[in-house]
Amino acid sequence: QKEVEQNSGPLSVPEGAIASLNCTYSDRVSQSFFWYRQYSGKSPELIMSIYSNGDKEDGRFTAQLNKASQYVSLLIRDSQPSDSATYLCAVLMFSGGYNKLIFGAGTRLAVHP
Amino acid sequence: DGGITQSPKYLFRKEGQNVTLSCEQNLNHDAMYWYRQDPGQGLRLIYYSQIVNDFQKGDIAEGYSVSREKKESFPLTVTSAQKNPTAFYLCASNLATATYEKLFFGSGTQLSVL
Repeated sequence: QKEVEQNSGPLSVPEGAIASLNCTYSDRVSQSFFWYRQYSGKSPELIMSIYSNGDKEDGRFTAQLNKASQYVSLLIRDSQPSDSATYLCAVLMFSGGYNKLIFGAGTRLAVHP
Repeated sequence: DGGITQSPKYLFRKEGQNVTLSCEQNLNHDAMYWYRQDPGQGLRLIYYSQIVNDFQKGDIAEGYSVSREKKESFPLTVTSAQKNPTAFYLCASNLATATYEKLFFGSGTQLSVL
């Protein structure tokens, strides 16, 4: 089982719709979770971090965390073509004697006009 | 402007050759990291450093080497022992490794084998 799993997509949504991106993780004691956006050929940029169960909203983005079920999701409201990118879920885990950030393979989102 | 500068943007390696990827930051960050990204895969940690003159192996350190002689600089050498070096390499930094709050990434180096 992969430590952080995401559906590779592509997830295709029409402009203006809600895009829902999901991520599951294997380590029950993980406490810190991050969503990065990566445009093709570019470096990732942090868009959301979440540490507590429930929802965290920032503009059009909402991160949702459920530690009991070991999943974290990202909702993008009013999706725009400029949101088309790969979204990487990252989970902070303690493994091999140190904290490390484990990235999922990413979900490719395509927003069509 | 503060940030992380990686160079070159594209790099080609001949068989048996060592190549060095540059990473410089002026953010005054203590912690620096090197990640490798292959198509369709997540980022994998190669090496990281928390302070000058100290660094630790990540998950895929074999065939790579690093140095941290200055706080601002964390170069990565891809040695001839790395048999499959073609990938996108990302350097990152942040204030401390404990929380991984807001990693800042460089623009990346695409390494290919001739």
